Amino acid sequence: NAGVTQTPKFRILKIGQSMTLQCTQDMNHNYMYWYRQDPGMGLKLIYYSVGAGITDKGEVPNGYNVSRSTTEDFPLRLELAAPSQTSVYFCASSAPGGPTDTQYFGPGTRLTVL
Amino acid sequence: AQSVTQLGSHVSVSEGALVLLRCNYSSSVPPYLFWYVQYPNQGLQLLLKYTSAATLVKGINGFEAEFKKSETSFHLTKPSAHMSDAAEYFCAVSDPSGTYKYIFGTGTRLKVLA
Repeated sequence: NAGVTQTPKFRILKIGQSMTLQCTQDMNHNYMYWYRQDPGMGLKLIYYSVGAGITDKGEVPNGYNVSRSTTEDFPLRLELAAPSQTSVYFCASSAPGGPTDTQYFGPGTRLTVL
Repeated sequence: AQSVTQLGSHVSVSEGALVLLRCNYSSSVPPYLFWYVQYPNQGLQLLLKYTSAATLVKGINGFEAEFKKSETSFHLTKPSAHMSDAAEYFCAVSDPSGTYKYIFGTGTRLKVLA
């Protein structure tokens, strides 16, 4: 199994541009998450989804949007890129068994906004 | 609200020495705790997790962690460090509500000296 895949691996955007970060999982997990990782800050939750058609905000949702039309895919949209969105973005998924579920992470997308 | 604190953003040990990475949690309900490892330019992978079944938890690559309720701690240890252990380590606590979101610590970067 591929697990959680993310594309692209790297991207440079200009201020004001838009882009979509793709995330796909093949484990039939209902729960999916988007995090951003900034140096010295750990990972912060941007958005999460508990199933197709259901999404909710995490800790740092401003400037981002998500959709979840299928169980497999959970894209993250940046509408007007800003330098503050320079970060490494991780997608994760888990099965909805309970609070001890393991989250499985993708390899990340490194985004730079200039 | 739940939170985790990782003491020491950088830890250096000699090869063969004991590894001790500290994590303290703040929780008003029984916590579910995780340790993840991130190797350079990769996503996070699970080392071990506390699910209340046993206070001493053994994980992959020779790591273990002990849950101490009286100290609100879940420190990660390994008796003998190997060069391949150099990575960033994250402690996380799971939200016990239906969303099962993780709250991550800020991470500890482990350096292993030859």
